Amino acid sequence: TQLLEQSPQFLSIQEGENLTVYCNSSSVFSSLQWYRQEPGEGPVLLVTVVTGGEVKKLKRLTFQFGDARKDSSLHITAAQPGDTGLYLCAGGPPPSNTGKLIFGQGTTLQVKP
Amino acid sequence: DTAVSQTPKYLVTQMGNDKSIKCEQNLGHDTMYWYKQDSKKFLKIMFSYNNKELIINETVPNRFSPKSPDKAHLNLHINSLELGDSAVYFCASSQALGVYEQYFGPGTRLTVT
Repeated sequence: TQLLEQSPQFLSIQEGENLTVYCNSSSVFSSLQWYRQEPGEGPVLLVTVVTGGEVKKLKRLTFQFGDARKDSSLHITAAQPGDTGLYLCAGGPPPSNTGKLIFGQGTTLQVKP
Repeated sequence: DTAVSQTPKYLVTQMGNDKSIKCEQNLGHDTMYWYKQDSKKFLKIMFSYNNKELIINETVPNRFSPKSPDKAHLNLHINSLELGDSAVYFCASSQALGVYEQYFGPGTRLTVT
């Protein structure tokens, strides 16, 4: 069974600080995605990375896929209260024709003003 | 317009009852999914359908029966509800099988008493 482990599980920081969330596995994934979920709502896709070593930026968020496609990280620069939420990584295990996603257990981020 | 919608938003029922959750997507996607999110926020896939055909059934108890009358709808019927079925159930869709970007509905919080 393929697993994705996220760390840390909880993070409480002050506005303006930087942070990194990690998503690790011993298995290779065809692609890896990051979602953000707010209370009472469904997860919203932030980014998909598919190539080993790939880096994508979304404003203050930087996503990286590991060279071996087994891990990923999300870095937020100068966090703002609006970044508060549950961040989920999700991996698509090969073969890549099922759409099946395996989710990490999530990182709850709280950014205090 | 809501891309993926679910009804009801909240469902409170007693053990042993039968209930249904409905999902509709207006994105023109071919593939739809049901996920269960437990109290620790862990998201796990239950079923996926592609053009009304069952693709993934993740060893879910037989009490859970998905039905897809057309590719825009995927309903979930649950028989003989148990306390352990209490969770948030999310419907999601993706453009096609093998496309990992998924769009989630707002969720249905099921409470079994």
